Amino acid sequence: EAQVTQNPRYLITVTGKKLTVTCSQNMNHEYMSWYRQDPGLGLRQIYYSMNVEVTDKGDVPEGYKVSRKEKRNFPLILESPSPNQTSLYFCASSKTSGGFRNEQFFGPGTRLTVL
Amino acid sequence: GIQVEQSPPDLILQEGANSTLRCNFSDSVNNLQWFHQNPWGQLINLFYIPSGTKQNGRLSATTVATERYSLLYISSSQTTDSGVYFCANQAGTALIFGKGTTLSVSS
Repeated sequence: EAQVTQNPRYLITVTGKKLTVTCSQNMNHEYMSWYRQDPGLGLRQIYYSMNVEVTDKGDVPEGYKVSRKEKRNFPLILESPSPNQTSLYFCASSKTSGGFRNEQFFGPGTRLTVL
Repeated sequence: GIQVEQSPPDLILQEGANSTLRCNFSDSVNNLQWFHQNPWGQLINLFYIPSGTKQNGRLSATTVATERYSLLYISSSQTTDSGVYFCANQAGTALIFGKGTTLSVSS
């Protein structure tokens, strides 16, 4: 089944404790990205990757890191989480980064709470 | 930047009723998608519809790119249709989402 998976789905952690949220897709997509969803602010892009070893900042990159060593995986790293990073996180992928007929597929979400 | 406006913001229906959700765009329509966010927070792809009309069961969608709007029709609504419906338009490398329409269907 074609899908985007994320782990963990739920995480409660404490300020300053490094964590990684994994994202994997099995559709051989070139483009992957991370979004966060917050009440009143909607979904905002954190980082994106147009292909292996090519990453760039989205609208809200502060406090996050990413890497793209393999085409299928795009982990989101919080080196020193803070309470303002409490949010619902989504990973997404699409065949390419733009152009016509380029539907994006989203993972199930990771609900992160930083105490 | 590109604006995506959805209406109505909230909708309350009795089971069996029909509804129309609207999405207006300030810029050209690119890779337009409709999503349903269920009560567990998952974003479910409903339609990829940069233009034209598509139907999937009780749901259908129409995008008129020249007039920069899209419509989502829900017929014979069911309680499982409850949740938030988002439209999104691509701008550069990101999908820009509207604020959503929160739908509540009661039995």
